[in-house]
Amino acid sequence: AQSVTQLGSHVSVSEGALVLLRCNYSSSVPPYLFWYVQYPNQGLQLLLKYTSAATLVKGINGFEAEFKKSETSFHLTKPSAHMSDAAEYFCAVSPKAAGNKLTFGGGTRVLVKP
Amino acid sequence: DTGVSQNPRHKITKRGQNVTFRCDPISEHNRLYWYRQTLGQGPEFLTYFQNEAQLEKSRLLSDRFSAERPKGSFSTLEIQRTEQGDSAMYLCASSSRDSNQPQHFGDGTRLSIL
Repeated sequence: AQSVTQLGSHVSVSEGALVLLRCNYSSSVPPYLFWYVQYPNQGLQLLLKYTSAATLVKGINGFEAEFKKSETSFHLTKPSAHMSDAAEYFCAVSPKAAGNKLTFGGGTRVLVKP
Repeated sequence: DTGVSQNPRHKITKRGQNVTFRCDPISEHNRLYWYRQTLGQGPEFLTYFQNEAQLEKSRLLSDRFSAERPKGSFSTLEIQRTEQGDSAMYLCASSSRDSNQPQHFGDGTRLSIL
């Protein structure tokens, strides 16, 4: 079975500072990996995905993530936080097989301080 | 691309009542997924369809839950004899058949059981 661990349920950053959200996964084979963002009372919006191409993946809104197989990690970063980045972020994995249901981490809520 | 649409956005009902939610996926997507998200948690997989066929159900989907996708387009999720523990956000997502393509989420239906 696959599982996802997001270290830190809450992260507070200053506007303009680096955002780093950690995600580690457990899977018998490298899965597909995704980061989603959720704003209050809304669904999930895809930030970026890793599907076996380049290990450094660029997404929307200036976010990027690096897949490290040896560390089973897929951490999300953004060089400079903006107030609009305040939201909840979810890391998710899906198997490289038919069905591709998503298994999510517990989420990390980001607070951006002015 | 009009996105995934879910109705209603909010549902408040008394314990023991039946409720039904509807999901309209992105029109060219043949896969449709249901997830449940409780407060402060990541979404959990419930079930998925490929066209009209329901191919997988989570053990979270008790016999009080039933999902249909009769013509391979919209889907409904029904909960019978609702319980307090059913209070959650119910999210629908759709994707194309390619396993490396991401799922696109609707804004969810928030269910509150009185």
